[in-house]
Amino acid sequence: ETGVTQTPRHLVMGMTNKKSLKCEQHLGHNAMYWYKQSAKKPLELMFVYNFKEQTENNSVPSRFSPECPNSSHLFLHLHTLQPEDSALYLCASSQTGSWGSYEQYFGPGTRLTVT
Amino acid sequence: GENVEQHPSTLSVQEGDSAVIKCTYSDSASNYFPWYKQELGKRPQLIIDIRSNVGEKKDQRIAVTLNKTAKHFSLHITETQPEDSAVYFCAASQPDRGSTLGRLYFGRGTQLTVWP
Repeated sequence: ETGVTQTPRHLVMGMTNKKSLKCEQHLGHNAMYWYKQSAKKPLELMFVYNFKEQTENNSVPSRFSPECPNSSHLFLHLHTLQPEDSALYLCASSQTGSWGSYEQYFGPGTRLTVT
Repeated sequence: GENVEQHPSTLSVQEGDSAVIKCTYSDSASNYFPWYKQELGKRPQLIIDIRSNVGEKKDQRIAVTLNKTAKHFSLHITETQPEDSAVYFCAASQPDRGSTLGRLYFGRGTQLTVWP
């Protein structure tokens, strides 16, 4: 499969559950990102990884825990979430260098509902 | 950090008319300005981008203009069609700034509706 893939596409979880979102990119990029997109809100950057190293944690609550085992895979571990965490979670990847950044390619997203 | 403002938040046009969406940015070091289109229930997809060494770029019905002095850039869609209806996001990015490398700063989005 090409591009950026995400699993699962839909997830319903209780507030006490633990689940993980997975993202995989097949583009040879060196940077990966997690975004949260809520209804009628802008894209909120959560985490940035460059060459597997986390370079940004955008004041995200500790109930969200990212993991980047290699440049192609990115996980978002979820535990004890709140109903307000219900949103579309988008993964993206891009190629970066000292010149800056090129296009970010987005995955299809995981629609998360916390009950 | 960078702050990107986008206007308008909603835009309705008649099919065949032109649509213009404007964004401003705060950091003069920003050098890459992409525009994304997100149709309902789908992922954001790049439709056009521009770098700071260029003032204008065109791709068929879509064009982007950049004014570095005023720190604003605009998306122009001509001969709009109903399938252009979507949310459009502008963004800005900077060269290597250490921890911000690769980060895109997004505007809040514009819901464009094209009426047949």
